[in-house]
Amino acid sequence: GDSVTQMEGPVTLSEEAFLTINCTYTATGYPSLFWYVQYPGEGLQLLLKATKADDKGSNKGFEATYRKETTSFHLEKGSVQVSDSAVYFCALSRGGYQKVTFGIGTKLQVIP
Amino acid sequence: DGGITQSPKYLFRKEGQNVTLSCEQNLNHDAMYWYRQDPGQGLRLIYYSQIVNDFQKGDIAEGYSVSREKKESFPLTVTSAQKNPTAFYLCGVAGGESTDTQYFGPGTRLTVL
Repeated sequence: GDSVTQMEGPVTLSEEAFLTINCTYTATGYPSLFWYVQYPGEGLQLLLKATKADDKGSNKGFEATYRKETTSFHLEKGSVQVSDSAVYFCALSRGGYQKVTFGIGTKLQVIP
Repeated sequence: DGGITQSPKYLFRKEGQNVTLSCEQNLNHDAMYWYRQDPGQGLRLIYYSQIVNDFQKGDIAEGYSVSREKKESFPLTVTSAQKNPTAFYLCGVAGGESTDTQYFGPGTRLTVL
């Protein structure tokens, strides 16, 4: 079956540092890939998505590229802020209202 | 997402009681989902519904029940048969042009006393 693997963390960075959170997936075909962000006590917010190989999703300075050859969708940001502290979830979907498969989430802590 | 509401935000239940969590959406989306979130385990699917009056079990449906009588509403009942119900519950919706993309409500934290 489908699966998504990401580090649990926490990942601790200083403000303005470069961020990478790794995500790899196992799935047949061409699923859509997503990053969601969850702030403490809140629901998940869609951060970015990509629907086909080599697509780059971007939003709020975050980027991720759909790499079919390495089955990866790593999240990057050039300069993190304290306000980016949250839990980040990588996910995949086959569309058509089918279930979404989530990773376990990676907690990011950004210190001033 | 502003178009998805969950209530209450916090809910306390005594052992042996059934409780119902509300999820309402005004996005006119067809599909709705219930997830359970526990620390270190990500999100696990409880039930989902793709159309009114129809729903399917997810990966952890035991001890839960749902109904989908209206397109905008998908309540979740946590029954006394659920052995460890303390968790954060998230409602998701999908529809429109992107059937692969789910949007989430703010969540309900259920605590069993």
